[in-house]
Amino acid sequence: AQSVTQPDIHITVSEGASLELRCNYSYGATPYLFWYVQSPGQGLQLLLKYFSGDTLVQGIKGFEAEFKRSQSSFNLRKPSVHWSDAAEYFCAVREYGNKLVFGAGTILRVKS
Amino acid sequence: ETGVTQTPRHLVMGMTNKKSLKCEQHLGHNAMYWYKQSAKKPLELMFVYNFKEQTENNSVPSRFSPECPNSSHLFLHLHTLQPEDSALYLCASSPQGGGGTYEQYFGPGTRLTVT
Repeated sequence: AQSVTQPDIHITVSEGASLELRCNYSYGATPYLFWYVQSPGQGLQLLLKYFSGDTLVQGIKGFEAEFKRSQSSFNLRKPSVHWSDAAEYFCAVREYGNKLVFGAGTILRVKS
Repeated sequence: ETGVTQTPRHLVMGMTNKKSLKCEQHLGHNAMYWYKQSAKKPLELMFVYNFKEQTENNSVPSRFSPECPNSSHLFLHLHTLQPEDSALYLCASSPQGGGGTYEQYFGPGTRLTVT
């Protein structure tokens, strides 16, 4: 079975600072990878996805992620965080068929 | 904002009640999913439907009974639930493979409290 690890349960950054959220996956072949964001009391919103091609992918809300096969990582980045980015972020990998496996999530706090 | 709607958004029920959660997707997708999200636990996949057929049941107790009458609608029928079933129940949909990129689109969830 595939697995996804998000090593950081909580991260706090200052507004305007850069952000990097870590994600490591276990998968033998080229994976389908996703980042989602969840605001309190809401569902998950897709930020970006990777399945082939350029290893640096751009998403919505100014986020980007880089696929590094050698490190089995797919870290999410944003150059300048806004207070509205405070939320929980989930990394996911396609396991088989159309089944996704999600990480445990990272809660982002933004301090002003 | 999304093409997946869920009703009700909040539900409080006793352990002897019977209730149903409803999900509708307006995205033309052929796969639909139920997930359970509990505090401090990873997202748990419960059921998967492809073209109205159940293709995955992730060892879910029989007190949860899904129904998918067509590709746009998904229900979760609840009966004799336990307090530990209190959680956010999320519905999602996706294109059904075939060259797709497998991303899933989520509804806002139903916050269920079992008393």
